[in-house]
Amino acid sequence: AQSVSQHNHHVILSEAASLELGCNYSYGGTVNLFWYVQYPGQHLQLLLKYFSGDPLVKGIKGFEAEFIKSKFSFNLRKPSVQWSDTAEYFCAVNGKGFKTIFGAGTRLFVKA
Amino acid sequence: NAGVMQNPRHLVRRRGQEARLRCSPMKGHSHVYWYRQLPEEGLKFMVYLQKENIIDESGMPKERFSAEFPKEGPSILRIQQVVRGDSAAYFCASSPEDANIQYFGAGTRLSVL
Repeated sequence: AQSVSQHNHHVILSEAASLELGCNYSYGGTVNLFWYVQYPGQHLQLLLKYFSGDPLVKGIKGFEAEFIKSKFSFNLRKPSVQWSDTAEYFCAVNGKGFKTIFGAGTRLFVKA
Repeated sequence: NAGVMQNPRHLVRRRGQEARLRCSPMKGHSHVYWYRQLPEEGLKFMVYLQKENIIDESGMPKERFSAEFPKEGPSILRIQQVVRGDSAAYFCASSPEDANIQYFGAGTRLSVL
């Protein structure tokens, strides 16, 4: 069965700290991978995506993620977080353009 | 180009009443998806529709829930005889034909008293 696992439910960091959010998936075929962000009171926005090609993908706002096929992982990283990065982050995967499976989310709180 | 529009943003219903949630996809998008987000949980897929067709409803409860996406007008998620456990945020997403990126609406927060 398809599933997405996010390792941390809550993360608290100080500004300028580095961020890495873990995401592992299980899916039997070719995958498309996504990270979405949900700022407080707002809807989900696409942060970055991986379809094929370079496994290191760059997203908006300085975020990047690395697809490691052998580890079934797609971890999200940012070298230096800001207070405005406080949000909930969702990893997601799909296989054929629909029925996207989401992880449970990681709530990031950045202390100013 | 307006994004995915959902209304109402907040909906309060008493147990046993009906809830109707509306979703207008982005212009040019013919694929609509509904998700439910329970407190402290991620988004759970409910149903995937194209115009006048339900493509995949494997995530939809078998009773009380239904969805449609008519030829004209928004997609509707209908919950009959609501119970307290239906309280959640319901998100709609849309995508262009054969694309993998889904664009989300702001959600409807349903509260059942």
